[in-house]
Amino acid sequence: GQNIDQPTEMTATEGAIVQINCTYQTSGFNGLFWYQQHAGEAPTFLSYNVLDGLEEKGRFSSFLSRSKGYSYLLLKELQMKDSASYLCAAINDYKLSFGAGTTVTVRA
Amino acid sequence: GAGVSQSPSNKVTEKGKDVELRCDPISGHTALYWYRQSLGQGLEFLIYFQGNSAPDKSGLPSDRFSAERTGGSVSTLTIQRTQQEDSAVYLCASSLNEGNTEAFFGQGTRLTVV
Repeated sequence: GQNIDQPTEMTATEGAIVQINCTYQTSGFNGLFWYQQHAGEAPTFLSYNVLDGLEEKGRFSSFLSRSKGYSYLLLKELQMKDSASYLCAAINDYKLSFGAGTTVTVRA
Repeated sequence: GAGVSQSPSNKVTEKGKDVELRCDPISGHTALYWYRQSLGQGLEFLIYFQGNSAPDKSGLPSDRFSAERTGGSVSTLTIQRTQQEDSAVYLCASSLNEGNTEAFFGQGTRLTVV
């Protein structure tokens, strides 16, 4: 089975940086996804890590350590539109399993 | 199609009735997933298809739930004798193949059982 943990909520100020941590325990781990989900909308893809290290994509970066079963999503220069739920998901051969999501609230 | 299409977008049904939810994946995507999301909760895995076969049905909550996929394309999730606890958003996602490719989500079907 798969066990994916991430914080429930985080609050940050516009322009700041927030780091969302995710730990996972899974057999046959193949990679780690991050998705963004605005209220009432479908999740949208943000990043995918399969190798250890940092993947940077504009204001968003994602890090993976396979040996530690750990990932984080880093959001820089926060904007109000970044207020959303951020979902960590691990893929095991074929099964894409999601954490419960972290609700990020950006305040002015 | 251009994206994953789900229908209906909203469904209100009476307790005890059967419902069918449809997912039309992106053309050429062989992998298809069904998830359920209750209000304020994460995504609960229901079932996965690779082509027309479902190697993993472990997430289906009960034998009232079934799913099929025909022609390696459209999938239908059927819930028989619906219960109030079935109320949720049912999300479908497809990806190019199994494994390490991005899954694209449809907008979901919001099911309300009254």
